[in-house]
Amino acid sequence: NAGVTQTPKFRILKIGQSMTLQCAQDMNHNYMYWYRQDPGMGLKLIYYSVGAGITDKGEVPNGYNVSRSTTEDFPLRLELAAPSQTSVYFCASSRQAEQFFGPGTRLTVL
Amino acid sequence: ELKVEQNPLFLSMQEGKNYTIYCNYSTTSDRLYWYRQDPGKSLESLFVLLSNGAVKQEGRLMASLDTKARLSTLHITAAVHDLSATYFCAVDQGGSEKLVFGKGTKLTVNP
Repeated sequence: NAGVTQTPKFRILKIGQSMTLQCAQDMNHNYMYWYRQDPGMGLKLIYYSVGAGITDKGEVPNGYNVSRSTTEDFPLRLELAAPSQTSVYFCASSRQAEQFFGPGTRLTVL
Repeated sequence: ELKVEQNPLFLSMQEGKNYTIYCNYSTTSDRLYWYRQDPGKSLESLFVLLSNGAVKQEGRLMASLDTKARLSTLHITAAVHDLSATYFCAVDQGGSEKLVFGKGTKLTVNP
């Protein structure tokens, strides 16, 4: 099993550009999550999903959108990127409450 | 609103010494998780604590949970350099499977 995979690993965006961060898992987990981690901080939940077709906001959802059309995939969309969205983004999936994290995407908005 | 506080945030210790990291949280929960993060890397699951009084040990690390005190501890025994990393605790919000993370404790073990 590949576990949780994320693409790209690194990305630089200009202010106002849009992009989609990809996340996939092959463990057949129903729950999936997107977090952001700012320097020296813990993780903050952006959006989560309890299954295909069901998503909900976390603590910091502004400026982001998600969709969940399949169990495996949970993409995160950034519309009109802003410098405040410079961060490391982690995707995770869970089974019986234990979360497994992807390798992360380091995003810089200039 | 659930708040999770870790202390200390920075810890520098010598090899061979013992120390404890504390994780306090503000609302009732009986699920707590400890993760390790190396610089530039993802989070690695260390311990899953699912009930009051739970104690788990792996190598030089031992974690415990007191749900009545809303406190978890991560005890390090005879530290070695390889334990240098940032350690996060995370608390489940009332069984929702949504986690709230502490700010992390950056541990540096010096030879």
